[in-house]
Amino acid sequence: KNEVEQSPQNLTAQEGEFITINCSYSVGISALHWLQQHPGGGIVSLFMLSSGKKKHGRLIATINIQEKHSSLHITASHPRDSAVYICAVGGYGGSQGNLIFGKGTKLSVKP
Amino acid sequence: EPEVTQTPSHQVTQMGQEVILRCVPISNHLYFYWYRQILGQKVEFLVSFYNNEISEKSEIFDDQFSVERPDGSNFTLKIRSTKLEDSAMYFCASSDGTRDTQYFGPGTRLTVL
Repeated sequence: KNEVEQSPQNLTAQEGEFITINCSYSVGISALHWLQQHPGGGIVSLFMLSSGKKKHGRLIATINIQEKHSSLHITASHPRDSAVYICAVGGYGGSQGNLIFGKGTKLSVKP
Repeated sequence: EPEVTQTPSHQVTQMGQEVILRCVPISNHLYFYWYRQILGQKVEFLVSFYNNEISEKSEIFDDQFSVERPDGSNFTLKIRSTKLEDSAMYFCASSDGTRDTQYFGPGTRLTVL
């Protein structure tokens, strides 16, 4: 069974700071997802990646398949980025949709 | 932009009662999922559904749970006899394919008393 570990668990930053959230997993995967969970509970998919790097606005996600590691970066952080960021991995074959989630990283960006 | 919707947003029920949680996935999606998140814990996979049948389920998804796509739009999760430990946020999600981005609904908060 895949174990998904995220670090840090909690992160407080000042507005404008560059933020990095890390995710590591124990077993080979078909894809890794980065999700954002708002204080009200809703979940938004930010990225799905299986190799390399993706960028959307101020968000950048990278994955190193060999090292079983992914990072989510936020450039020029803003208070509206405050949320829980969750890493989730999908396996191979029939379990691709069976996502295994990390515990999340709670980000608070202060003005 | 198309979105996944879920009803109700909050359901309160007595232990032992049956509940049905409803989801309307994005219309052209083929794969549907249910997840749950107990308060303060991580999100957990319950079940995936494709082509009118369950494609995968977790250990959590025991005989008290069932899923159904009763028509072309709704996707439901039924809990036959609720327990206190079923209290959680239940999320529905849908995707084009198994390796595609999953779009999550806003969740249904289930409270079992």
